Amino acid sequence: DAGVIQSPRHEVTEMGQEVTLRCKPISGHDYLFWYRQTMMRGLELLIYFNNNVPIDDSGMPEDRFSAKMPNASFSTLKIQPSEPRDSAVYFCASSLLRQGTDGYTFGSGTRLTVV
Amino acid sequence: AQSVTQLGSHVSVSEGALVLLRCNYSSSVPPYLFWYVQYPNQGLQLLLKYTTGATLVKGINGFEAEFKKSETSFHLTKPSAHMSDAAEYFCAVSDRGGYNKLIFGAGTRLAVHP
Repeated sequence: DAGVIQSPRHEVTEMGQEVTLRCKPISGHDYLFWYRQTMMRGLELLIYFNNNVPIDDSGMPEDRFSAKMPNASFSTLKIQPSEPRDSAVYFCASSLLRQGTDGYTFGSGTRLTVV
Repeated sequence: AQSVTQLGSHVSVSEGALVLLRCNYSSSVPPYLFWYVQYPNQGLQLLLKYTTGATLVKGINGFEAEFKKSETSFHLTKPSAHMSDAAEYFCAVSDRGGYNKLIFGAGTRLAVHP
């Protein structure tokens, strides 16, 4: 398996524009997680899905952020409109639940810069 | 609620010296514990994990960690640091009975000097 695949690797956009980040989890994994990493706040869990259903979105900072998982092999995180404070590295991770023992497999991340 | 505290946001060691990165957790029941490593411009990679059984866990690249219930700790060690160990290390805890949600510590950046 190629691992968790995220695209794009880098994104530079202007304030107010819509940004869409993409993630392909490992085949067979039934959990998918979106994290945001910044120097100030570290790793923050934004939302996670189980079998394509959002389970906990309490970490989504505000209504400008939305996430979808239309099928088991694809998820998107959308920011509309984007703001400079959204600049961060966004990670997608997937896992196979075995009583919580497996940990996650992370993608390489998308570095977002909003100017 | 579960939480993870990593003592020391930056640790610096000489090549060949002992590496010790500290992690303490807070949980009402013994959790599952993990260490992840993040190299520059990369995602997090699983280094090792503790679930049940032997409390001394060996991971990749010569790292190991010991689960000490009485101290609620899961410190990461390596007997001899290598330049390639320079990275950021994250301790994480997972609820045994929950949705496999991992709670991460703030991370410790390890620098290795020649």
